[in-house]
Amino acid sequence: DVKVTQSSRYLVKRTGEKVFLECVQDMDHENMFWYRQDPGLGLRLIYFSYDVKMKEKGDIPEGYSVSREKKERFSLILESASTNQTSMYLCASSLGARWDGGVTDTQYFGPGTRLTVL
Amino acid sequence: DAKTTQPNSMESNEEEPVHLPCNHSTISGTDYIHWYRQLPSQGPEYVIHGLTSNVNNRMASLAIAEDRKSSTLILHRATLRDAAVYYCILTSRQGAQKLVFGQGTRLTINP
Repeated sequence: DVKVTQSSRYLVKRTGEKVFLECVQDMDHENMFWYRQDPGLGLRLIYFSYDVKMKEKGDIPEGYSVSREKKERFSLILESASTNQTSMYLCASSLGARWDGGVTDTQYFGPGTRLTVL
Repeated sequence: DAKTTQPNSMESNEEEPVHLPCNHSTISGTDYIHWYRQLPSQGPEYVIHGLTSNVNNRMASLAIAEDRKSSTLILHRATLRDAAVYYCILTSRQGAQKLVFGQGTRLTINP
């Protein structure tokens, strides 16, 4: 089974702090994704990565950056946390490699990190 | 990305079949239909996907209309553990490898 793990289930930080959210997958997947989920707004894509050291902006990248130094690890960084970044953060991975719209697109999600910024 | 439309909520009884509809009238010929679900306090999980033909797996069945403008996720015998938000998502070559989540259908299962 594919396993996607996230470093914390719950995190409380103060405004202005630098926050690192870590995600690790154990299935040699090419693609990794970071989403945030808020009530009434659903899941929104922040950043994604097709390969090591490659990243692309999603729909809401402002205030975030990412790092992918190793294939299995994708980090989300909040350079200076703000209260409007209080949210559930979800990491996902998919096989990638080539597009076939089916199996290689299937995303596997971690359990999520609930971040509160005070 | 092509858009999907789902009812906001549905309710069913335990051990009965559940049919969750999804409309996607602007689907293109190469779009796949994916279903995910999100159980309370968990990340979404893959349920099933298809292109043109009906599909079955251990979790559910996917019935796709002949014109592909709609599809139905079928849970053959619902349990309380099937209570979740179900998302119908299209994937296209233009938005390759990304998923766009709508609001989904919140399914309630009554004991």
